[in-house]
Amino acid sequence: SQQGEEDPQALSIQEGENATMNCSYKTSINNLQWYRQNSGRGLVHLILIRSNEREKHSGRLRVTLDTSKKSSSLLITASRAADTASYFCASRKAAGNKLTFGGGTRVLVKP
Amino acid sequence: NAGVMQNPRHLVRRRGQEARLRCSPMKGHSHVYWYRQLPEEGLKFMVYLQKENIIDESGMPKERFSAEFPKEGPSILRIQQVVRGDSAAYFCASSGGRDEAFFGQGTRLTVV
Repeated sequence: SQQGEEDPQALSIQEGENATMNCSYKTSINNLQWYRQNSGRGLVHLILIRSNEREKHSGRLRVTLDTSKKSSSLLITASRAADTASYFCASRKAAGNKLTFGGGTRVLVKP
Repeated sequence: NAGVMQNPRHLVRRRGQEARLRCSPMKGHSHVYWYRQLPEEGLKFMVYLQKENIIDESGMPKERFSAEFPKEGPSILRIQQVVRGDSAAYFCASSGGRDEAFFGQGTRLTVV
């Protein structure tokens, strides 16, 4: 199976609530990146966290990285209807530079 | 500074024809990745190229698919003798190295 498996596969929340999704990977990484994809569109880069970082913030986004557990989480605080999208993590392997995606988490934010 | 440009956005081919998908990376980027996405699924890695070199093609089918990234011009993903199962969205991304990768809007290939 691919590196970067995400859970849950789908998440439905009310506007204003927080959304948390998790990502696991298998091999050593250089960095891990999170992307958003609206239906039928290209992927938008959200945030990159390096292997020597544990937490990073960008606006309403908070990303954590636990290299001992080979996992990362993305938290979207105070969600909005416009946050409705699929969210993907992508791990960049330490050797070879390959960027591998997981299956994504589909988030629905209800107004 | 233009982003990653893919063309065409939509491509319709009959079974047995050839499909050529183009990707112009962001200015200054020399790394290109191609991915394939089926509806409601994640992105499946196909190939990773640097200028004039294929670095990792572990996700490319052994037959009918090829990719190149010449010294001048865009990266090309070529699918020969297309079949219905090739219908998908094909995305390319570019990066300057080990940093952020930026994606194009994709090419939606439909084989009829």
